[in-house]
Amino acid sequence: GQQLNQSPQSMFIQEGEDVSMNCTSSSIFNTWLWYKQDPGEGPVLLIALYKAGELTSNGRLTAQFGITRKDSFLNISASIPSDVGIYFCAGQLEAGNMLTFGGGTRLMVKP
Amino acid sequence: DAGITQSPRHKVTETGTPVTLRCHQTENHRYMYWYRQDPGHGLRLIHYSYGVKDTDKGEVSDGYSVSRSKTEDFLLTLESATSSQTSVYFCATTGTAYNEQFFGPGTRLTVL
Repeated sequence: GQQLNQSPQSMFIQEGEDVSMNCTSSSIFNTWLWYKQDPGEGPVLLIALYKAGELTSNGRLTAQFGITRKDSFLNISASIPSDVGIYFCAGQLEAGNMLTFGGGTRLMVKP
Repeated sequence: DAGITQSPRHKVTETGTPVTLRCHQTENHRYMYWYRQDPGHGLRLIHYSYGVKDTDKGEVSDGYSVSRSKTEDFLLTLESATSSQTSVYFCATTGTAYNEQFFGPGTRLTVL
């Protein structure tokens, strides 16, 4: 099935640093979603994007819907230890349809 | 929080036995989904439902069946479990916008 290419696969950073990750696809999407997953739990929705070019923030998190509709970016500013986890992007073509997930970015933060 | 619970949270079973996983939601959401999560494959859709008794296949539906007799419950059944179905299974629902999906806590299934 269709896959999203998410990079980097993992990051090990110092507390206080900024983080950037992205997802690219060979097909367009009309919705991009970003999730965070902690060990032993389900993914939690962080940010939803609905329009090409849209830039949306949620606290220290900022995500962008790429102009081509084939990519999306997530930035985390001033990372803290509780940012540790796996971040997933997901694309959706139509409302109600399945989500196509990226492979995830594992973030580790050194205090 | 979409009020999603999954049961059981953990299960160990043997190859060839039937297994049913339950997803229960309290928000009266129309759409419900079953995903499996495996290392190297991320989350993949098994089946979904767009209303009571209305279901459709996802990307990896072989070996699985689903039923939805009530809005709040979506059941995933493995008729004859195989070791390749060892995975973590997540249920999800959509909100009123039908774009955003909210996930349950997951069920870890081990097939020996």
